[in-house]
Amino acid sequence: DTAVSQTPKYLVTQMGNDKSIKCEQNLGHDTMYWYKQDSKKFLKIMFSYNNKELIINETVPNRFSPKSPDKAHLNLHINSLELGDSAVYFCASSQDSSGRSSVFFGEGSRLTVL
Amino acid sequence: QKEVEQNSGPLSVPEGAIASLNCTYSDRVSQSFFWYRQYSGKSPELIMSIYSNGDKEDGRFTAQLNKASQYVSLLIRDSQPSDSATYLCAVFSRGYSTLTFGKGTMLLVSP
Repeated sequence: DTAVSQTPKYLVTQMGNDKSIKCEQNLGHDTMYWYKQDSKKFLKIMFSYNNKELIINETVPNRFSPKSPDKAHLNLHINSLELGDSAVYFCASSQDSSGRSSVFFGEGSRLTVL
Repeated sequence: QKEVEQNSGPLSVPEGAIASLNCTYSDRVSQSFFWYRQYSGKSPELIMSIYSNGDKEDGRFTAQLNKASQYVSLLIRDSQPSDSATYLCAVFSRGYSTLTFGKGTMLLVSP
């Protein structure tokens, strides 16, 4: 059983399109995250949700909209895709947002914008 | 701005040697520290966490934390070719509610 699963694993799309990435965790964790890893492999936080409530929203274009229907799911919708959005997007979760609990990552979704 | 600095490497060590990976951080109120390993094309995998000054050992891995110097390190004993990967240092600061990652150090272990 995969603890943090995200779909799809690969997306190839044209500029201007809209796409969504889904994430689910079966660990019973309260906190979920979206991270972006660019071509230089730098892993950067985008959003963090705790019990379905947004707690972190980094400087991310508002074309990116996260949605958490329940604490086991955190989806990411991206409007009007741009070339610079090409990256690997990782969903992650932790027991809580205290900093004392480990963060576990999904396998990543590689987005390529042409 | 909270920063986590790592030497990008690559750090090359022969099989069986000790690999030493270093990380410094800028936020003095950082409270939790993590080391992740990431193989090419894969997701980050947690190796160690450390919260208090001193050493913490887990198998071939030892994490060392010095909060006064704002420094955390990871030692890998008896390095194996399978340890070849990028090692990411991550720091959690109170009030920020998430991990800040360094850019990672690539480790190459040669047979």
